[in-house]
Amino acid sequence: KAGVTQTPRYLIKTRGQQVTLSCSPISGHRSVSWYQQTPGQGLQFLFEYFSETQRNKGNFPGRFSGRQFSNSRSEMNVSTLELGDSALYLCASSLGTSLGETQYFGPGTRLLVL
Amino acid sequence: KNEVEQSPQNLTAQEGEFITINCSYSVGISALHWLQQHPGGGIVSLFMLSSGKKKHGRLIATINIQEKHSSLHITASHPRDSAVYICAAGSNNNDMRFGAGTRLTVKP
Repeated sequence: KAGVTQTPRYLIKTRGQQVTLSCSPISGHRSVSWYQQTPGQGLQFLFEYFSETQRNKGNFPGRFSGRQFSNSRSEMNVSTLELGDSALYLCASSLGTSLGETQYFGPGTRLLVL
Repeated sequence: KNEVEQSPQNLTAQEGEFITINCSYSVGISALHWLQQHPGGGIVSLFMLSSGKKKHGRLIATINIQEKHSSLHITASHPRDSAVYICAAGSNNNDMRFGAGTRLTVKP
């Protein structure tokens, strides 16, 4: 089976712009979770989608949003980018909820905000 | 105080040594995850535990639910084990809480 894929892998944006990142889960997986990783804060949970519904959301401002499509592919959007949004954004998929099942991580999208 | 604490932050070992990384958490959990991250960012899930002990090759993970503590052990360490190891708690609040990670370097 193909692994989790994320596009794009690298992205440079300027402050105030918006960005959309994409994640394609392993075939058959219904849960997609998103994470932000920065040198200062480490890994932080953004949100989880299961069967097109957001199950839970981490402590991030409303500028961070996401959605999941009927084929389980997921997108996350960050509007009005700030310098502090520069990070590695990772998605992970699992058969069921991410909390109680093994997660399979994508390679990440590295976002730089100038 | 972080809800998930890992120790040590950094660890250097000689090839062949037995390694232990510790994780303490203060949240109620549905499962405890151990992750491995290599330079370049790729993350691999090593274990998911809700009780007891699991073993995969040279890696062993244990959890004590009453004490809210988990350990990751690596037997006969090898330079290819060099990576950052991250403990993550799948909390009862339906989110994931991460430790800061342990950077392991195994020297030949």
